[in-house]
Amino acid sequence: EPEVTQTPSHQVTQMGQEVILRCVPISNHLYFYWYRQILGQKVEFLVSFYNNEISEKSEIFDDQFSVERPDGSNFTLKIRSTKLEDSAMYFCATGRDRGLEQYFGPGTRLTVT
Amino acid sequence: SQKIEQNSEALNIQEGKTATLTCNYTNYSPAYLQWYRQDPGRGPVFLLLIRENEKEKRKERLKVTFDTTLKQSLFHITASQPADSATYLCALEASGGGADGLTFGKGTHLIIQP
Repeated sequence: EPEVTQTPSHQVTQMGQEVILRCVPISNHLYFYWYRQILGQKVEFLVSFYNNEISEKSEIFDDQFSVERPDGSNFTLKIRSTKLEDSAMYFCATGRDRGLEQYFGPGTRLTVT
Repeated sequence: SQKIEQNSEALNIQEGKTATLTCNYTNYSPAYLQWYRQDPGRGPVFLLLIRENEKEKRKERLKVTFDTTLKQSLFHITASQPADSATYLCALEASGGGADGLTFGKGTHLIIQP
C-alpha cells in the first residue's frame, strides 16, 4: 500500500540554524499538508499546498516557514531560523482531494538546542 | 473561538466491551468530521469520515455518529481488543469554511484491558 515517507526521522539543530524537512507524497495525491505536534500536545495544522502554491496557512506558519515542491516529487518545509519552541514532531500529510481523508507520514522529530 | 473537546483523560475499557469516545465542538459548521488513531511516536492514521448529511457510518468494528444539532460526534469500537489501545483524535476542517486543513482535538487515550 502506498505511503507517505519523511526524512530525516530525527533532526537536531542549534537555535538560529535553518532546517529543511522532506516528504515524499503518495503519487496520485494532489493536496499536501504540514502539521506539527509539540510533545504531549495536539496535532496542529501549519499549511496546505495545492497546484504549486499555498492554499491555506495557520497563524503558526509565519515568515520563518516556507514550503515548496521543487522537483515535482519531494514536498519540503523550511524553517529559516529555528527557535527552541520549534522543537516538535512535524508530520507531512497528503490527500487525493479536498474534504477527503489525509494520509500522514511517520514524522520528523525536530530538536532545537 | 472555535473549539474541539475530547475527553483527554484515559478511558479504560475491558476487552470485549464497546468503547465510546466523544467529540464536542463549538463555533464550527463543519461539512465533515474525521476520526484518526495515533500510536505513540507515530503519525495519525485515518479511520472514518462522516459528512454533515450522514447520521452514522460504519467500518468493521467501528461506528461513528454525527449530530450537527448537538455539535457532537460519538466514536464506537465494538468487541474491543487490547490492540485497539491508542489515542483517538477527532478532526474538523480548520475554519469551517471549506478550507482543507484539519483542526484536531487533543485526543482520548483508550486503554483496553485484557
